[in-house]
Amino acid sequence: EDKVVQSPLSLVVHEGDTVTLNCSYEVTNFRSLLWYKQEKKAPTFLFMLTSSGIEKKSGRLSSILDKKELSSILNITATQTGDSAIYLCAVCMGGTSYGKLTFGQGTILTVHP
Amino acid sequence: EAQVTQNPRYLITVTGKKLTVTCSQNMNHEYMSWYRQDPGLGLRQIYYSMNVEVTDKGDVPEGYKVSRKEKRNFPLILESPSPNQTSLYFCASSLTSRLAPGDEKLFFGSGTQLSVL
Repeated sequence: EDKVVQSPLSLVVHEGDTVTLNCSYEVTNFRSLLWYKQEKKAPTFLFMLTSSGIEKKSGRLSSILDKKELSSILNITATQTGDSAIYLCAVCMGGTSYGKLTFGQGTILTVHP
Repeated sequence: EAQVTQNPRYLITVTGKKLTVTCSQNMNHEYMSWYRQDPGLGLRQIYYSMNVEVTDKGDVPEGYKVSRKEKRNFPLILESPSPNQTSLYFCASSLTSRLAPGDEKLFFGSGTQLSVL
């Protein structure tokens, strides 16, 4: 059974702190890993990582894929209250499961002023 | 405006009464998918569709049906809803069915909060 596990499940920090969110996966046919941010309702896309693109950065957010360890991290530096959200990791499958996406449970990040 | 539209936003119903949640996208996307979100379980895929008339089961398809008769629409049907289907549902779409690099960027609808009593 394909599995995506995120840790921690919940994190509370103060503005200015740096946080690292983890995502590990056990899937039959890995194709890519995606990070999403969910604030009020619908998730919004952050990054997509593949074998040919294992590191992405956008402003204070960055993400790395470790294919050997079957994991990814999402780093947020100098956190702001607007970073408070649920962060979701998802793995996109290939092969016979082409098109299937499996999400992790999510990490709830709360940033206090 | 490019968007994925789900209706209704909120729905309260009773056990056994058939219901349909509609999903429509105006971006000419090939790929569409349904998810349910429950506390502590994240998003779980119910069904997905690579193109018109092509649908496949996700991780939790039991109790649900879908159809893809037109490219823009992907309704989710609960023939006989039960309380364990109370959840937040999301429809999403993506440009191509191949989900090639860059295409994995899913566009999500605003969600449908379903309560089955």
